[in-house]
Amino acid sequence: DGGITQSPKYLFRKEGQNVTLSCEQNLNHDAMYWYRQDPGQGLRLIYYSQIVNDFQKGDIAEGYSVSREKKESFPLTVTSAQKNPTAFYLCASSISPRGVGGETQYFGPGTRLLVL
Amino acid sequence: ELKVEQNPLFLSMQEGKNYTIYCNYSTTSDRLYWYRQDPGKSLESLFVLLSNGAVKQEGRLMASLDTKARLSTLHITAAVHDLSATYFCAVAPSGTYKYIFGTGTRLKVLA
Repeated sequence: DGGITQSPKYLFRKEGQNVTLSCEQNLNHDAMYWYRQDPGQGLRLIYYSQIVNDFQKGDIAEGYSVSREKKESFPLTVTSAQKNPTAFYLCASSISPRGVGGETQYFGPGTRLLVL
Repeated sequence: ELKVEQNPLFLSMQEGKNYTIYCNYSTTSDRLYWYRQDPGKSLESLFVLLSNGAVKQEGRLMASLDTKARLSTLHITAAVHDLSATYFCAVAPSGTYKYIFGTGTRLKVLA
């Protein structure tokens, strides 16, 4: 079955620690995205990537880093510089950034990050 | 600043009733998306609206798009409890590769 997987489902971070959230897709999608969702809030874009080895900052990139070495994978690292990382993190992908088919985003199940 | 605003933010309605959720956006966009999110879960795609006047229907939900007014609506017909969820609209502004999400409308259908 095609889809997007995220791991782990829950992640606990100690102060000063960097943690990495995994996102893998087997949909053969070019574009991938990371969003942060705080309780009762909408989604805010952290980073997005249109193609392998290329990515752009979203609206709240400070304290986060990403890499896109493979088409299927777009890991997100929450660094110690992110002072308030507790949130629900969602990874998404779409066929291509601006094709003609509408390119709805498909979302993974999410990772809930908590600070110890 | 790009803004996508939904109203109402919260909606409590009786089963069997009709209601409309509104999504206004401040930038030029010919693409609008509706998603559903159940509590503690991820987002599920509902509709993709690609042109002015587009209308899509699935079951008790119908979405429409007016690009001139920069307005999309999600109409709920004869609501049932299973429709209880948070609904988000999102736009992909022309000339960018980003999706901007609305604030979300939390819908609760009472039996």
